[in-house]
Amino acid sequence: KQEVTQIPAALSVPEGENLVLNCSFTDSAIYNLQWFRQDPGKGLTSLLLIQSSQREQTSGRLNASLDKSSGRSTLYIAASQPGDSATYLCAVRNYGQNFVFGPGTRLSVLP
Amino acid sequence: KAGVTQTPRYLIKTRGQQVTLSCSPISGHRSVSWYQQTPGQGLQFLFEYFSETQRNKGNFPGRFSGRQFSNSRSEMNVSTLELGDSALYLCASRKIEQTPELHFGNGTRLTVT
Repeated sequence: KQEVTQIPAALSVPEGENLVLNCSFTDSAIYNLQWFRQDPGKGLTSLLLIQSSQREQTSGRLNASLDKSSGRSTLYIAASQPGDSATYLCAVRNYGQNFVFGPGTRLSVLP
Repeated sequence: KAGVTQTPRYLIKTRGQQVTLSCSPISGHRSVSWYQQTPGQGLQFLFEYFSETQRNKGNFPGRFSGRQFSNSRSEMNVSTLELGDSALYLCASRKIEQTPELHFGNGTRLTVT
């Protein structure tokens, strides 16, 4: 059974800092991994999707990497801004299975 | 292009009642899945529908059911509501089953009193 964990559970940084969020999964036979952000009371917004054959994906200030062999993914946010404050969730999908979500990392970027 | 639309946004129900939630996927998306989000359990998968057929089901009691219509719109029903059913219910769609990227709606906040 796939299990997904995220460290840290919460993070507070000053504006402008570069930061890394971590996602770990127990079953490395994944089909893909997707990073989302969620603002309070809202749905999830897709940030980056990494297929199992890929090592990383980039979008603007965001870069996500995937290391299947170690069961880890990282989301790198460059030059953080107050608008980046949200909860970040990673979700993993194995072949023929549904997505399994991590508990999220609550990020606060202080002006 | 309109995103995933969920109605209603908020619901307050009493224990023992039943409730129906609605989800309209992004145009052209044929797969719809439902998730329950609570502070204690996080995001948990309920079920997924593709072409009006349930393709996958999570570990929830039979009180939770769903269906998908020929236009890909989906409904989720919860019968005999319990206090623990209070949660944010999220719907997500994908273009076709093989397209992996999930797109979420803003959810329906259900409160059971």
